[in-house]
Amino acid sequence: KQEVTQIPAALSVPEGENLVLNCSFTDSAIYNLQWFRQDPGKGLTSLLLIQSSQREQTSGRLNASLDKSSGRSTLYIAASQPGDSATYLCAVIRGSNYKLTFGKGTLLTVNP
Amino acid sequence: KAGVTQTPRYLIKTRGQQVTLSCSPISGHRSVSWYQQTPGQGLQFLFEYFSETQRNKGNFPGRFSGRQFSNSRSEMNVSTLELGDSALYLCASSNPRTSGGSGETQYFGPGTRLLVL
Repeated sequence: KQEVTQIPAALSVPEGENLVLNCSFTDSAIYNLQWFRQDPGKGLTSLLLIQSSQREQTSGRLNASLDKSSGRSTLYIAASQPGDSATYLCAVIRGSNYKLTFGKGTLLTVNP
Repeated sequence: KAGVTQTPRYLIKTRGQQVTLSCSPISGHRSVSWYQQTPGQGLQFLFEYFSETQRNKGNFPGRFSGRQFSNSRSEMNVSTLELGDSALYLCASSNPRTSGGSGETQYFGPGTRLLVL
């Protein structure tokens, strides 16, 4: 059974700091990994999707890496801003199964 | 292009009642998935539909059911509501390149918040 763990559960940083969020999964036979952000009481916004054959993806200040063999992914946020405050979730899909298995998320607070 | 829409956004029901939630995917997307989000369990997969067929189902009791229409809109139904069904219900849509593909980004709607009293 696939299990996804995100560390830390919560993180508070001053504005401008670079930070890394971690995601680990137990079954390396994944099809892809997706990072989302969720604002309080809202739905999920897709940030980055990494196919199993890829090592990283970048979008603006965000960079996500994937190491399938070790079952790990990281989300790097450069020059953090108060608007980045949200819960960040990673999720994996295994094979042709459309089921996303989510971690519990990291609650990020960026202080002005 | 309009995003995924869900109706209603908020719902209050009492135990024993049933409820139907609706999801309209992004135009052209043929796959719709449903998730339940609670503070204790996080996000859990309910089921996924593609071209009106349920392809995958999570570990939820039979009280939870769904369907998809020919225009890809989807509904989920929960019968005999229990207090523990209180949650945020999210749907996601995607557009696989092939009927068996799952590599594409999934886009989520704003969710329906259900409160069972």
